[in-house]
Amino acid sequence: DAGVTQSPTHLIKTRGQQVTLRCSPKSGHDTVSWYQQALGQGPQFIFQYYEEEERQRGNFPDRFSGHQFPNYSSELNVNALLLGDSALYLCASSLSSREETQYFGPGTRLLVL
Amino acid sequence: DQQVKQNSPSLSVQEGRISILNCDYTNSMFDYFLWYKKYPAEGPTFLISISSIKDKNEDGRFTVFLNKSAKHLSLHIVPSQPGDSAVYFCAASATDSWGKLQFGAGTQVVVTP
Repeated sequence: DAGVTQSPTHLIKTRGQQVTLRCSPKSGHDTVSWYQQALGQGPQFIFQYYEEEERQRGNFPDRFSGHQFPNYSSELNVNALLLGDSALYLCASSLSSREETQYFGPGTRLLVL
Repeated sequence: DQQVKQNSPSLSVQEGRISILNCDYTNSMFDYFLWYKKYPAEGPTFLISISSIKDKNEDGRFTVFLNKSAKHLSLHIVPSQPGDSAVYFCAASATDSWGKLQFGAGTQVVVTP
């Protein structure tokens, strides 16, 4: 049973560039959430996708956008990268039921220079 | 606005003894709570959860206690094992924020022989 997978594992970009991160949910899951984890902090909720639509959004600017595909996989896009966007980006999947536990992937480490 | 707080950044415990991790929250709308464990270079791994209609939930060596009046929950690990050395995150979600998990900053647990 495949868990949550993310690609790439590491990425280096320069300020102003754009980046796309990818996530495949755990088998049987239909909901994907994205989190940003800065060094020494807990994950911060970016947004959640269900039925190919953004269902919930955290306190992140419009530079952060996403997409969910019919197979439930998802992308996170960040435009006009800032140095402060350097972080671990985590994808989590769950079933649509509200109290379903979220299962996390290994994350993508993004470094913005 | 940090609504979930883990005030102990680190905890050292001897192998075989009990580890007690604490978490406080401020949002009275939180009604579902989870604990995750994270090793370096990996995503958070789900440990145990509790709904606000309960005050205790057990799973093997892990027990979570919820005190709603104090807005406090704790995770007990008995007995502690070397493989338990990791960062532990407390997370919560609210009735009106479907699937949006809010995390504490984490507690680094070190289990010594």
